[in-house]
Amino acid sequence: EIVLTQSPATLSLSPGERATLSCRASQSVSSYLAWYQQKPGQAPRLLIYDASNRATGIPARFSGSGSGTDFTLTISSLEPEDFAVYYCQQRSKFGQGTKLEIK
Amino acid sequence: EVQLVESGGGLVQPGRSLRLSCAASGFTFDDYAMHWVRQAPGKGLEWVSGISWNSGSIGYADSVKGRFTISRDNAKNSLYLQMNSLRAEDTALYYCAKDDDYSSSSYYFDYWGQGTLVTVSS
Repeated sequence: EIVLTQSPATLSLSPGERATLSCRASQSVSSYLAWYQQKPGQAPRLLIYDASNRATGIPARFSGSGSGTDFTLTISSLEPEDFAVYYCQQRSKFGQGTKLEIK
Repeated sequence: EVQLVESGGGLVQPGRSLRLSCAASGFTFDDYAMHWVRQAPGKGLEWVSGISWNSGSIGYADSVKGRFTISRDNAKNSLYLQMNSLRAEDTALYYCAKDDDYSSSSYYFDYWGQGTLVTVSS
């Protein structure tokens, strides 16, 4: 059974800064990994699929990288609307989430 | 515009049953796999179940296997989740989610409903 571990649990940054979120799989998942953003009171939104492909309508400041067991979601310059919880996912498994909060 | 609207949630006693529905519109429903994902209050996301476009392939999380049954009616553009023997730990917001892969299942969920809340309590 694949386990996804996200780090850090909470990330405190200011608008304009660069955010780097990590997701580690307990065994290789090739490039079959997605990232979602969830804001309070809203459903999750697909950001990245296949580790590095942006979903439709996702701004270019969001990028994904990695393969095998180590993956990264990078937000190049934080906008106020980017502060949310981010989840990685591999098929039926989700990571526990990283909360990106305003510093 | 793709829309997914869940219904059927509510307060139910432990051991009882509940049936959730998801009405889909804005896309060719019978071309895509569909899934249920839940989120307990203040917690993360948990995949519950998925069904292929033609109901030929179905999967469940271990936590619900044997108690929940997923189904779909392509003529009615609807997805269902029959939940039996409910437990307190099944309390969650249940989301209906569309798979992004045409005629297969990628487990990438490109559209989500707003969820329906299920509370299991005596």
